[in-house]
Amino acid sequence: EVLLVESGGGLVNPGGSLTLSCAASGFTFTKAWMAWVRQAPGKGLEWVGRIKNKADDGTTDYAAPVKGRFSIVRDDSKNMVYLHLNSLKTEDTAVYYCTVGAGLCDYWGRGTRVTVSS
Amino acid sequence: DIVMTQSPDSLSVSLGERATINCKSSQNIYYSSKNKSYLAWYQQKPGQSPKLLLYWASTRKSGVPDRFSGSGSGTNFTLTITNLQAEDVAVYYCQHFYGTPLFGPGTKVDI
Repeated sequence: EVLLVESGGGLVNPGGSLTLSCAASGFTFTKAWMAWVRQAPGKGLEWVGRIKNKADDGTTDYAAPVKGRFSIVRDDSKNMVYLHLNSLKTEDTAVYYCTVGAGLCDYWGRGTRVTVSS
Repeated sequence: DIVMTQSPDSLSVSLGERATINCKSSQNIYYSSKNKSYLAWYQQKPGQSPKLLLYWASTRKSGVPDRFSGSGSGTNFTLTITNLQAEDVAVYYCQHFYGTPLFGPGTKVDI
């Protein structure tokens, strides 16, 4: 069974930083592309970014609103993927989901909530 | 940039009836080199994480009931739910997943 468990969310001041973690199990993590999707309160889904597997060069892609502020890193030895959030803005307030898939989001975690507020 | 739109924003359907949701892409998302449309549908029930229902516009993910079907190609796509059940109350999102993925705004289905 595929399991994705996000953690690390919380309340942070505008301009602050946070790191979200995603623990993955139930599939061959080293072969998977991993992505993050967020959902602001009462709003729709917004793709944030992804990291390819090492065999496909391990590079990252980001959505325009977060490019240069967010970064995704993976640790294949731990089956973990991380989302580093920097220079946070109030509009980054959302539930952040970890997903599996190259572009398609095949499996989803339960999400972790990030609130950016002073 | 590609823009995804959905219609209607919401719809109310009786139990056992049909729900039809439309999704439109501002650009053709059929890629002849792959012979596929890079369009997926997701279901998000209240209080839950989204789940993948269909991909390549019409291929159901394993375990998804066959009352969910997808059609379309190019720029216009449709999700049809036949024989609507109470557990189908949800928000449905389309997504193009070629290049930089993008979700549609969602369509809320209730009874």
